[in-house]
Amino acid sequence: ETAVFQTPNYHVTQVGNEVSFNCKQTLGHDTMYWYKQDSKKLLKIMFSYNNKQLIVNETVPRRFSPQSSDKAHLNLRIKSVEPEDSAVYLCASRQGNAETLYFGSGTRLTVL
Amino acid sequence: GDSVTQTEGQVALSEEDFLTIHCNYSASGYPALFWYVQYPGEGPQFLFRASRDKEKGSSRGFEATYDKGTTSFHLRKASVQESDSAVYYCALGDDYNQGKLIFGQGTKLSIKP
Repeated sequence: ETAVFQTPNYHVTQVGNEVSFNCKQTLGHDTMYWYKQDSKKLLKIMFSYNNKQLIVNETVPRRFSPQSSDKAHLNLRIKSVEPEDSAVYLCASRQGNAETLYFGSGTRLTVL
Repeated sequence: GDSVTQTEGQVALSEEDFLTIHCNYSASGYPALFWYVQYPGEGPQFLFRASRDKEKGSSRGFEATYDKGTTSFHLRKASVQESDSAVYYCALGDDYNQGKLIFGQGTKLSIKP
């Protein structure tokens, strides 16, 4: 059962363009995350938002910025994409200190 | 820093074979340990977790035992099915209250019918 929705599923763009990915969760969770999955399937956390406050910000390039309008939405904007940004971007959510992270299906970004 | 290592990048088995995927971690104290599974075109799904020495986690026929002595959390299943084909991730809860998980490299499991 899908409860974390990501759009678009795929996006192809050229170097230097700006892109934005959307994520919405219908689970009523208070914390959302962005993870990056590279071509070798490595998963790394990028950002975490709790009640619209950034609480984890790994050492990602400054061209990446999370945007949240409320606790159910966490978007990701990338200004001036670069080839190494090609990856699958996974959104996830969690309620409080609960053990389970719920992931969306991901947005696959290809930068030409 | 904390880390998780999965020895096998790929595993190919036949149906009803026994499965072992090795996971070793490096961290201080007693971090929570997890297994996640990712099917093609989907995000990772939580399988189970363990948070103290000798604790066994299990789900869907898969199991793993937290072993602080060998810093391991190996995934096992007695008899795999074709539907188990997926990528399996071992993960460590680093500063778990913020939901930050450190994932291993992932192991792609392929089951031949």
